[in-house]
Amino acid sequence: DAKTTQPPSMDCAEGRAANLPCNHSTISGNEYVYWYRQIHSQGPQYIIHGLKNNETNEMASLIITEDRKSSTLILPHATLRDTAVYYCIVRVPQGSNYKLTFGKGTLLTVNP
Amino acid sequence: KAGVTQTPRYLIKTRGQQVTLSCSPISGHRSVSWYQQTPGQGLQFLFEYFSETQRNKGNFPGRFSGRQFSNSRSEMNVSTLELGDSALYLCASSSGSPSGGADTQYFGPGTRLTVL
Repeated sequence: DAKTTQPPSMDCAEGRAANLPCNHSTISGNEYVYWYRQIHSQGPQYIIHGLKNNETNEMASLIITEDRKSSTLILPHATLRDTAVYYCIVRVPQGSNYKLTFGKGTLLTVNP
Repeated sequence: KAGVTQTPRYLIKTRGQQVTLSCSPISGHRSVSWYQQTPGQGLQFLFEYFSETQRNKGNFPGRFSGRQFSNSRSEMNVSTLELGDSALYLCASSSGSPSGGADTQYFGPGTRLTVL
């Protein structure tokens, strides 16, 4: 089962920052937080990941709280094309490798 | 660098038939994972292959199987298709570093399977 909690839906105005929260209160010290998004019927798109420190790339920023029990994905200037389901995933070790366990995610709707 | 490719993109089969889906990973990636996505169950992990060996397996019946070739390309097979097998089948590739850590999976566009 997924170990994350996300709001089912959020709205954001075009051009504004979109802040998507995620709770992962049972995260272990060696587990990464990953964010993917999925536009309808397409394959999930990798956005960003982090362990302890805040991370930024060309798509988004990831803010992880000091206790690592929650994180926020920030899309600095949302566009209509950012409308998608956003998945926050804690990378769970399984055997000799890692699998991704997807929850229901947050449907972000960017409005004009 | 080319992304993950999956063929075919769409497929229609009837109950009882079998189907084979193909996935070509990103060049240099040695791990291929398969996922099933349905409206009711969401995205679920099927299995993962690394260096032609299945390393991890999800909770799916034995009708679902896969294999990986020496060039890291992978196929998954579903035998005796059921209506409930209608889904988007996604393949993801990663470097497969056995030390774990931040080994990011990149997804293909998926194969939409419809079972009639």
